[in-house]
Amino acid sequence: AQTVTQSQPEMSVQEAETVTLSCTYDTSESDYYLFWYKQPPSRQMILVIRQEAYKQQNATENRFSVNFQKAAKSFSLKISDSQLGDAAMYFCAYSGANSKLTFGKGITLSVRP
Amino acid sequence: DTGVSQNPRHKITKRGQNVTFRCDPISEHNRLYWYRQTLGQGPEFLTYFQNEAQLEKSRLLSDRFSAERPKGSFSTLEIQRTEQGDSAMYLCASSFPADTDTQYFGPGTRLTVL
Repeated sequence: AQTVTQSQPEMSVQEAETVTLSCTYDTSESDYYLFWYKQPPSRQMILVIRQEAYKQQNATENRFSVNFQKAAKSFSLKISDSQLGDAAMYFCAYSGANSKLTFGKGITLSVRP
Repeated sequence: DTGVSQNPRHKITKRGQNVTFRCDPISEHNRLYWYRQTLGQGPEFLTYFQNEAQLEKSRLLSDRFSAERPKGSFSTLEIQRTEQGDSAMYLCASSFPADTDTQYFGPGTRLTVL
């Protein structure tokens, strides 16, 4: 079975600074997808960024980028120029052949003004 | 572009009662998923449909839980004889396999069992 581990329960970043959220996963599949989702307090889950395992190039979406290390099974999210609106819970998730998502426990990111 | 919608947004019920939740996916999405999320945790997979066929059910989905997607459009999740341990956020997501199969989530239904 696939597992996703987010070992940091909380992180804090100063507004306009850069922060990196860590995620590791375990799988025996060779073809899969990895995601970062954002869940603001009492609001719905929003897709932040998506990475296909077969692509060597790291995905980027504006201020958000990933560092995908397939051999190490590591998938970290970098948020540049942090904004107050980035404060939320962030979940790393895995999707393989059966298409269901397996989530990590999440990390709470706070942004200091 | 209408996103995934869920109703009701909140449900408070007494232990032993039956409850039903509804999910309307994004219109062209043929896959629909149900997840359960407890406070401070990541969502856990419950079940999913491709069109009207239920393709997989988690062991978390006890006999008291049933899900349907009768016409391949909206879906319902019913919990019979609710227990306090059923209190959670129930999330619905939909995807279109030919378009990256990325799952988009609805706002969820928060269930409180007293």
